[in-house]
Amino acid sequence: GAGVSQSPSNKVTEKGKDVELRCDPISGHTALYWYRQSLGQGLEFLIYFQGNSAPDKSGLPSDRFSAERTGGSVSTLTIQRTQQEDSAVYLCASSLDGPSGGQETQYFGPGTRLLVL
Amino acid sequence: GNSVTQMEGPVTLSEEAFLTINCTYTATGYPSLFWYVQYPGEGLQLLLKATKADDKGSNKGFEATYRKETTSFHLEKGSVQVSDSAVYFCALSQDSSASKIIFGSGTRLSIRP
Repeated sequence: GAGVSQSPSNKVTEKGKDVELRCDPISGHTALYWYRQSLGQGLEFLIYFQGNSAPDKSGLPSDRFSAERTGGSVSTLTIQRTQQEDSAVYLCASSLDGPSGGQETQYFGPGTRLLVL
Repeated sequence: GNSVTQMEGPVTLSEEAFLTINCTYTATGYPSLFWYVQYPGEGLQLLLKATKADDKGSNKGFEATYRKETTSFHLEKGSVQVSDSAVYFCALSQDSSASKIIFGSGTRLSIRP
């Protein structure tokens, strides 16, 4: 594809509900990353996939957050029992390769703006 | 741990003014350094990067030099335009097994015509 795409672009949900956010990386990119951009917290790393496995999940804030990637392509980030502090813009990025060959440029999607009421 | 500290905003300048946005970092080893930009209503874009000491990244008239001795990567532009109004993020990533990007808090830049 032309770039990283994410859906939905906006999501409003009630506290306690589950949400799923989707990321379509650039075709051929093996590495995929999730970040969160929230007011007062800046941009935080959440999780990184190389292919379908996640070698670094260190940024997931709690066990309510999980992510998976299938077919080495699309990824979903799931937030269970959402809380108001989960409100943020969730950004996905992809790159050609993981870190072993040096740092590849990460290309970011437009983000999903999540609001938990 | 690794971290990035950048100049707090907002920064407001007149068109054609000289711009500096300061950025310093703390990291083990030899990280790669980046400046990302987020224009109003758009996604995050890589502006420039440098992967080793003394490298200079440049793009769209912006420059930043990787200074290991001062652990800095200050962003500069000689003559800003209204279209440069955006939020600028300094960032780093380790060049070893950790691939996540660590971002600074961002600096909002507004350019007056």
